[in-house]
Amino acid sequence: KAGVTQTPRYLIKTRGQQVTLSCSPISGHRSVSWYQQTPGQGLQFLFEYFSETQRNKGNFPGRFSGRQFSNSRSEMNVSTLELGDSALYLCASSLDRAGYEQYFGPGTRLTVT
Amino acid sequence: DQQVKQNSPSLSVQEGRISILNCDYTNSMFDYFLWYKKYPAEGPTFLISISSIKDKNEDGRFTVFLNKSAKHLSLHIVPSQPGDSAVYFCAAIPGANNLFFGTGTRLTVIP
Repeated sequence: KAGVTQTPRYLIKTRGQQVTLSCSPISGHRSVSWYQQTPGQGLQFLFEYFSETQRNKGNFPGRFSGRQFSNSRSEMNVSTLELGDSALYLCASSLDRAGYEQYFGPGTRLTVT
Repeated sequence: DQQVKQNSPSLSVQEGRISILNCDYTNSMFDYFLWYKKYPAEGPTFLISISSIKDKNEDGRFTVFLNKSAKHLSLHIVPSQPGDSAVYFCAAIPGANNLFFGTGTRLTVIP
C-alpha cells in the first residue's frame, strides 16, 4: 500500500506570494491533518479534514487554509507569505480519527525569501 | 503556549546502554500519549503509545512510562542501537482529534 505523498517536496517563494501544497493520503484513509514543523516550535497542528469538512483547527492565522476533495486528497494554501512561514509542512492521514494510527508524509520544505 | 514540552533538545548514549527520553505536559485533559521517531527528510513514524488509564506500555526494546500525577512521560530504549539515532517527538491528544507535539529530542547512539 502506497504511503502518504506530498508535493512538491521543496519550494522557494518570495514574501507576499501565496503557495499551495498538496497531500495524497493512504488509500482508504479519510482523515488528513496538516502540521508545521519549525526548529523552535516542534510540530504544530494546523487543521484536520475529514470527508471534505474541516473538523479541527489549530491556532494559526487565517492566511493558512485548506480543503479536502472527494477522493480525500487535501491541499493547504498559505497566502501573503511571511519569512516566518518558512518551515517543513507535514501531512498525515488516518482511517477516521486523526490522532491515532496517523501516518505522515515526507513533508514539503517551504523557504520564504 | 507549549502544552507538551521536551526540555532536552539532545541526548547522547553509548550503544547497548539505556536511552531515556522525557516529556512533560500541562493539559490534564490529555488522555492518550504517543512517541514518534523522525529521520531527516522523512515524516515522523509512530513508535509507541499509552493510554492515560495505564502507567506503562512495552513493545520490544521500547517502553513508555506515564506518571499522571507529575504530568510526565518517558520513553526507555534498551538496549540502544545506532539505528535508533533520530529525533524523537512525544505527542498528546486531549480527546479531540488533533495532536499536540513536543519540540523533539535528538538522540545520538554512539557505536
